[in-house]
Amino acid sequence: QQQVKQSPQSLIVQKGGISIINCAYENTAFDYFPWYQQFPGKGPALLIAIRPDVSEKKEGRFTISFNKSAKQFSLHIMDSQPGDSATYFCAASWAGNQFYFGTGTSLTVIP
Amino acid sequence: GAVVSQHPSWVICKSGTSVKIECRSLDFQATTMFWYRQFPKQSLMLMATSNEGSKATYEQGVEKDKFLINHASLTLSTLTVTSAHPEDSSFYICSAAGLGLADYNEQFFGPGTRLTVL
Repeated sequence: QQQVKQSPQSLIVQKGGISIINCAYENTAFDYFPWYQQFPGKGPALLIAIRPDVSEKKEGRFTISFNKSAKQFSLHIMDSQPGDSATYFCAASWAGNQFYFGTGTSLTVIP
Repeated sequence: GAVVSQHPSWVICKSGTSVKIECRSLDFQATTMFWYRQFPKQSLMLMATSNEGSKATYEQGVEKDKFLINHASLTLSTLTVTSAHPEDSSFYICSAAGLGLADYNEQFFGPGTRLTVL
């Protein structure tokens, strides 16, 4: 059973546009929700993370929106740039245990 | 963020040989390390979790006699693929969590090791 569902599988956005990636989870025990960015042939890099007591967190052009009642969270990339083209993974965990990853979203930002 | 290194970054070996991959946390003490396997255009698949000084906990379906994991210190974990076969060819990534990080849930990933078995 997929613990974390991620959509869309791929996304194409114009430079300067907003990229939005969504994730949904089932386990209400999850208390940590990070987003990772991965370039081909590289390991994932932590972008931003949120805990369920906060509805939104912003770091630079990256914002996580969190909806506890709907058990959903999303990543918004403002002013998307070609350098943002990568695969993005959401994840969820609880009490410092293993991460449950989404299936990934391949983002392409076209100039 | 914290830094995790992996060595080697890529390795090619003959079928039947063993390969060791090292994962090091460079600026924090990694009480827990995770080993993942990733196939092209797919998500990360957790293979095992290791706590420093303890035996690793393997995920269902992962052969512990084939993928030997050692976490002997707070900065080093190793994954040894024993008697490697072509189907073991993959991208192996470690991550680390532990003391000195902003959030105890944080995991920082290594750059990955590309294993090709001929």
